[in-house]
Amino acid sequence: EVQLVESGGGLVQPGRSLRLSCTASGFTFGDYPMSWVRQAPGKGLEWVGFIRNKAYSGTTDYAASVKGRFTISRDDSKGIAYLQLNSLRAEDTAVYYCTREREAAALRGHDYWGQGTLVTVSS
Amino acid sequence: SFELTQPPSVSVSPGQTASITCSGDKLGDKYAYWYQQKPGQSPVLVIYQDSKRPSGIPERFSGSTSGNTVTLTISGTQTMDEADYYCQAWDSNTGYVFGPGTKVTVL
Repeated sequence: EVQLVESGGGLVQPGRSLRLSCTASGFTFGDYPMSWVRQAPGKGLEWVGFIRNKAYSGTTDYAASVKGRFTISRDDSKGIAYLQLNSLRAEDTAVYYCTREREAAALRGHDYWGQGTLVTVSS
Repeated sequence: SFELTQPPSVSVSPGQTASITCSGDKLGDKYAYWYQQKPGQSPVLVIYQDSKRPSGIPERFSGSTSGNTVTLTISGTQTMDEADYYCQAWDSNTGYVFGPGTKVTVL
């Protein structure tokens, strides 16, 4: 059974940093691109970024709203994807979901989602 | 930047058909995806690549495309289908884009 478990959320002051983790199980983690999606309280879904699998360069891409502040990385040996959040702002307050891309070779939607972890940015 | 448009809400009677549209510039040239999200839960993929249904998704969920509009249709809507539905597409300049979501009410 595929499982994605996020951790690392919490209350953080504006301008500070936080690192989220997504621990995967039930599939060969290194074969799949992984994405992060967030949802502000009472709002819709917003894609944050993704990281390709190593076979497809392992490169990353980000939404304009977080580019330069957030960084996605992965440790295939541990089955963990990370989201480093720097220079946090109040508008980054959201539940952050880790998702698996449906296909290894292309970006074709998110077939598995974690339960999410809440990040609250406030002084 | 690339944007998707959805109606804020759709109401349907139990057993009837609900249709949710999603429109965007040149959306017909892209694949569309649909997600269902119930209150307090993570989203679930219900349609991928415009019209394909993942395993485990009931046959009453279907997707179609016409021009730059994609449609999620729920046939024989059940009370358990009450949820928010989001369309999504990939744009080479913007990345993944989600629509604003449509709240489906079954009453």
